[in-house]
This record gives sequence, structure tokens and C-alpha cells, in this order.
Amino acid sequence: DAGVTQSPTHLIKTRGQQVTLRCSPKSGHDTVSWYQQALGQGPQFIFQYYEEEERQRGNFPDRFSGHQFPNYSSELNVNALLLGDSALYLCASTLEGLGAQYFGPGTRLTVT
Amino acid sequence: AQSVAQPEDQVNVAEGNPLTVKCTYSVSGNPYLFWYVQYPNRGLQFLLKYITGDNLVKGSYGFEAEFNKSQTSFHLKKPSALVSDSALYFCAVRDTNAGKSTFGDGTTLTVKP
Repeated sequence: DAGVTQSPTHLIKTRGQQVTLRCSPKSGHDTVSWYQQALGQGPQFIFQYYEEEERQRGNFPDRFSGHQFPNYSSELNVNALLLGDSALYLCASTLEGLGAQYFGPGTRLTVT
Repeated sequence: AQSVAQPEDQVNVAEGNPLTVKCTYSVSGNPYLFWYVQYPNRGLQFLLKYITGDNLVKGSYGFEAEFNKSQTSFHLKKPSALVSDSALYFCAVRDTNAGKSTFGDGTTLTVKP
């Protein structure tokens, strides 16, 4: 039973560039949430996708956008990268958004 | 709005002693509460949840948590700590059984031999 997978593991980008992070949910799950975890802090909710639509969004600017595909996998896109976007980006999946979330190992994004 | 507070950045206990990691929450309506653990360079792993029912919830690896509605608390406990329990622990809350989770800033648990 495959868990949540994320790619890439690490990424280094320059300020102003764009980045795409990818997530495959746990087998049987259809809902994907994205979180940003800055160093020394808890995960901050970015948005959640269900049935290929953004169902809920946290307090993040429009530079952060996403997509969910028919196979339930998801992408997180960040445009015009800022130094402050450097963080661990976590993907979590559930079935219909219910109950506990299953997290992937994260993508470490460094913006220089 | 919903929020979580983990008042202790660090908890130190000796192996074999009981441990408690504290969490208080604020949410409108009935709370859905979760504990997760994070090991270095890893994602979060689910430990236990409170949705409804008994105030004492049992979870993975011998952990349990006590829900106290009047004190709006959901403290994580374990009767006998192991060195391998050393990790970063997060409490999370949401006001429905689906949707956005709000996490605390985490508590680092160190269990010394």
C-alpha cells in the first residue's frame, strides 16, 4: 500500500523564479491538502483539493496555486519566488477530507 | 477562527517516566483534534484523534490523549517514555471533520536514558 509520495525531495531556486511541486496521495484517497512548514514552526495550511477543485484556501497570496488531476495527484505552483518562501512543503491526503491526514515526506524548497 | 497553543517548546523526561505534552485549542463548534509526530527530515505521522465519544483516546505506540472540554485541552500522554519517543510533536484542530487543519508550533520531546 503506497503512502503519500512527493517530488522532488529538495529544490533550490532563485528569487523571482517559478516552481512546481508534485504529490501523489495514499492509495484510496481522493483529497489532497498542501502545507508550508517554515523552520521551527508548525505546518500552515495553503489549500485543499477535492474532485479537481480547490475546496478551501488558507491565507496565502495568489502566487500560490494548485491543481488536482483525475487520478487525484496534485501539483503546487509558486510564482515569483521570494526568500520567505523557503520552507518544507508538505502534502497530505485523506478520503473525502475526513479524519486524520496522511503526510508525505515533504519537499524542501530553498530560495536564494 | 481556530487556533492551537502548545505552551512548551521543549519537554524533557527520563526513560521509563510518564510524559505529558500539552495542547490547548480554540474553535467554534465541536472540535476535531489530532496529534502528529515528526522525526527529523520526515513528514508528519498520525498518532491519534478525537472526534467524539470517550474523553480518553488511545493511539499508536502506546500514546493516549485526554480531551477536556471545559479546559479546551487535549494533552498527549504516555505512561512510560522510551528514548525512541524523542521527536517533534504537533497538536492540530479543525472545526469540521473535513477541511483545513490548524497546527500548533510543536513541542520537542527529549527522552533521556
